[in-house]
Amino acid sequence: AQTVTQSQPEMSVQEAETVTLSCTYDTSENNYYLFWYKQPPSRQMILVIRQEAYKQQNATENRFSVNFQKAAKSFSLKISDSQLGDTAMYFCAFMRYNAGNMLTFGGGTRLMVKP
Amino acid sequence: DAGVIQSPRHEVTEMGQEVTLRCKPISGHDYLFWYRQTMMRGLELLIYFNNNVPIDDSGMPEDRFSAKMPNASFSTLKIQPSEPRDSAVYFCASSLSGAGANVLTFGAGSRLTVL
Repeated sequence: AQTVTQSQPEMSVQEAETVTLSCTYDTSENNYYLFWYKQPPSRQMILVIRQEAYKQQNATENRFSVNFQKAAKSFSLKISDSQLGDTAMYFCAFMRYNAGNMLTFGGGTRLMVKP
Repeated sequence: DAGVIQSPRHEVTEMGQEVTLRCKPISGHDYLFWYRQTMMRGLELLIYFNNNVPIDDSGMPEDRFSAKMPNASFSTLKIQPSEPRDSAVYFCASSLSGAGANVLTFGAGSRLTVL
């Protein structure tokens, strides 16, 4: 079974600064997908970014980028130029390749962006 | 597309009552998932369907929980009888299979409170 660990329950960052959220996972699979989802106070789960394990290039989406270290089983999320709207819970998630699209989530990191 | 539609948004009921949560997935998506979110256990997969067929219900906590998907555009999660420990936010999500797909889109969730 896969496990996903987010070691930072809470973090804070000043507006316009950069913050990195950590995620590690455990799997014996070679092919898989990794995701970051954001859950603002509205509780809607919103996809932030997606990474395919067979791609060495780190995924980026505007101010959001990842540092994917496959050998270390690490998948951190960097948020640049933090905005007040980035305040939310962030969940790292793992999906096995070709195995039913099931997501296994980490425990989440609560991020507060301060003005 | 209106996204994944869940109802009700909020439900307050008394212990012992039957609760039915509803979900309309995105048209054309062939996977449907039910997740439960609690403070103690985080996001847990309860059950998922592929082409309306239940594939894995190992996350369903006990026989009081049941889920159905009578057609491609509707699913229900039923709890009978409900207990206070069932209080949680229940999310429905859908996705499309195939290479490059597999991103889960979540509904807004149903917050259940059992008194």
